Amino acid sequence: DTGVSQDPRHKITKRGQNVTFRCDPISEHNRLYWYRQTLGQGPEFLTYFQNEAQLEKSRLLSDRFSAERPKGSFSTLEIQRTEQGDSAMYLCASSFASVNNEQFFGPGTRLTVL
Amino acid sequence: AQTVTQSQPEMSVQEAETVTLSCTYDTSESDYYLFWYKQPPSRQMILVIRQEAYKQQNATENRFSVNFQKAAKSFSLKISDSQLGDAAMYFCAYRSRDYKLSFGAGTTVTVRA
Repeated sequence: DTGVSQDPRHKITKRGQNVTFRCDPISEHNRLYWYRQTLGQGPEFLTYFQNEAQLEKSRLLSDRFSAERPKGSFSTLEIQRTEQGDSAMYLCASSFASVNNEQFFGPGTRLTVL
Repeated sequence: AQTVTQSQPEMSVQEAETVTLSCTYDTSESDYYLFWYKQPPSRQMILVIRQEAYKQQNATENRFSVNFQKAAKSFSLKISDSQLGDAAMYFCAYRSRDYKLSFGAGTTVTVRA
């Protein structure tokens, strides 16, 4: 395990379809974060987990977005009824739950909604 | 909510020269962390340097150093002896105790050979 992995790396879908992305954090990390990055901008926080508990989800962009981390290991981010405005890079990061934690980022999933 | 502002969309530097990237932030908190992340084209984001707000000494990591001015809420990054591999998008980020990172819009650094 050399880092955070995300699957798929690229996803092209048609408007109205549902998509699901997976993130596998560094195995010892108990915190997992999701961010969204649109072209030319910095990442924007969406939600995060400590173990299997979702500690904040108020930043999820709409009720079409949901995330899970069922066993405190990998996480999934689902977008229902995709819209063209959902096209972006979706980044996952993980860390230890300590004050001095560093968040390690995965390579991201690039979503294109046609 | 905290806001992070990077006012330089692009910076260009000659190889072996020095470049300074600007970052300002807005917060009412006294305990927080500041970061500079590097995102090379089509590659994942990596941490360059971090600064704890309670530390007065500026952080340094090899050729990278920061100028942290807490009262002015300023956090600039200096890259010395620039190398071709430094070409990337650089993001300034703020983190409070709630662990969420707030990022600036980024600065694209180009290194001229």
